[in-house]
This record gives sequence, structure tokens and C-alpha cells, in this order.
Amino acid sequence: EAQVTQNPRYLITVTGKKLTVTCSQNMNHEYMSWYRQDPGLGLRQIYYSMNVEVTDKGDVPEGYKVSRKEKRNFPLILESPSPNQTSLYFCASSLTGQGRNSPLHFGNGTRLTVT
Amino acid sequence: GESVGLHLPTLSVQEGDNSIINCAYSNSASDYFIWYKQESGKGPQFIIDIRSNMDKRQGQRVTVLLNKTVKHLSLQIAATQPGDSAVYFCAENRKGNQFYFGTGTSLTVIP
Repeated sequence: EAQVTQNPRYLITVTGKKLTVTCSQNMNHEYMSWYRQDPGLGLRQIYYSMNVEVTDKGDVPEGYKVSRKEKRNFPLILESPSPNQTSLYFCASSLTGQGRNSPLHFGNGTRLTVT
Repeated sequence: GESVGLHLPTLSVQEGDNSIINCAYSNSASDYFIWYKQESGKGPQFIIDIRSNMDKRQGQRVTVLLNKTVKHLSLQIAATQPGDSAVYFCAENRKGNQFYFGTGTSLTVIP
């Protein structure tokens, strides 16, 4: 089944403790992206990747890192999480980076709580 | 950033009626639009998309209308069913590879 898989689904951590949220897609998509979803704000892009070893900042990149060593994987790294990073995170992928006729496919989300 | 989608926060419809969900976008350069459905505890699910060179596109029970003159997008759901209850939001593609999302409309179907 074609899908975007994120892990874990739920994560509770403390301020400053490094964490990684994994994302994997099995559709051979070039483009991958991370979003956070907060009440009243909609989905906001954190980082995206047009292809292997190509990453770029989205609208809210502060406090996050990403890597794209393989086409299928795009982990999100929080080196020193803070409470304002408590949110619902979504990984997404699309066939191409151009966005034309290429909708985003989303994972089921990771709910992160930082205390 | 700019806001996409001046959504009504909630919409309630009777089962079997048609639903219309609206979205306003602000950037006239946007050339590709998508409607997503998000159920509780799940990620957004693609419903239908439309390019800016089209005014209307139909899928199974859904129709998207695009009015570029007033920068307005709508999603019509025919014969709404209880399984259609979810949050619906639009997304616009502005710079080739970046999407901007509205905050969504919560649709409740009354049996």
C-alpha cells in the first residue's frame, strides 16, 4: 500500500532532550516536507526536500533540522526541544517538487508534547 | 505569512443534502489548488485538485469550482453522508513547491 509512515504517533518529552521523528514513503516520491499543525493556524511548513541531499527551510524552521540521505526517508530532528514546539507534526511527500498536478500525500501525524 | 482561506469554522448539514465549503485565497499568482479532508486522528487526505486554467473539476460526489476573478475556491459534496464528517481545508501552490493551507471548516453531518 502506498503510504507515508511516521513514527512515533505520540511522543512526550522534556525540554532540551534531543528527539527524532522518522518519516518514510514507499512511493518513490522526490519531494518530501514537514509541517506542524496548531489550532487556528493551519498547516505550516517547517522544512522541505526536493530530492536526496537537497533540503530547504519552510516558513517555521527555527529549532528544527532535517536530513535527506535516502530518497524514502526524511527525519525531523529537534536538537533541544522547547514547550513552544508542542504540536501535531505531519510528514508529506509528492511525486515532484514542482507541485503541479502533484498533490501532497500525508502521514498520520506525530503528536509531540514538550514539558 | 499570508492567510489562505477565510473559512467558516463549522458547517452542519442533513444527511443526503449537498454541502458547499468555501475558501478564499489571496495570491493571484497561485496556480494549483487542492482540497483535503482530515478526520480526527488522521493525516490530511487528498480529495480533489484543480489547476488555474480550469474553472471546474468533478470527482466522485465532489466538485471543485475555481473563480479566479474573486480568488475563491469551493468544494461541493453531493448527497452528504455521515462518513463525510471531517475538517476540510484548501491548499494553494504558490512558488512551485510550497503549499499554503487554510485553517479549515469542520463539517458535521446530521443523520
